[in-house]
Amino acid sequence: QKEVEQNSGPLSVPEGAIASLNCTYSDRGSQSFFWYRQYSGKSPELIMSIYSNGDKEDGRFTAQLNKASQYVSLLIRDSQPSDSATYLCAVNMDTNAGKSTFGDGTTLTVKP
Amino acid sequence: GAVVSQHPSRVICKSGTSVKIECRSLDFQATTMFWYRQFPKQSLMLMATSNEGSKATYEQGVEKDKFLINHASLTLSTLTVTSAHPEDSSFYICSASSGQFQETQYFGPGTRLLVL
Repeated sequence: QKEVEQNSGPLSVPEGAIASLNCTYSDRGSQSFFWYRQYSGKSPELIMSIYSNGDKEDGRFTAQLNKASQYVSLLIRDSQPSDSATYLCAVNMDTNAGKSTFGDGTTLTVKP
Repeated sequence: GAVVSQHPSRVICKSGTSVKIECRSLDFQATTMFWYRQFPKQSLMLMATSNEGSKATYEQGVEKDKFLINHASLTLSTLTVTSAHPEDSSFYICSASSGQFQETQYFGPGTRLLVL
């Protein structure tokens, strides 16, 4: 079992729809959780970080964390073609002093 | 804030030569920098973690004598690929983090290396 698992994808949604990206992690002591977006041929860019259970909203993006279920998700409302990218879930595990463990990513395509 | 730069963005070299890649945190002090490699359509692979003033910690399977990492200051880390071979051709990405950002990693734009 991988330490951080994401939907294998690819995920395709129509423009204007809600895209839901999911991530589970194995280390129950994990404290910090991040979502990155990576366009093809580019490096990852931070979208959101979340540290406490519940929802965190930033514009069209909402991160949801449930530590009891070891689950973190990213919702993208009103999806746009420009949201088409690979989304990486990253988890800072308890003992890794800042080192993030990344999932393999979920590729999202938003169709006009 | 939290800008990380890399230089060069793209490099082509002959097999057997060495290539140095610089990673700089422009507006914060990076206590920790990370080096990743990514092959086409594959996930990020962490190569090593470096802390300012100390030796880098390499991930299993990464040759420390081939991938030399120096983190001499709080704003600069370098990765030198020694005696590069075609199989070293890849996208090399650095990231930097600081305690003030709750250990968030900020990525540089990456360096695309092609070894002929």
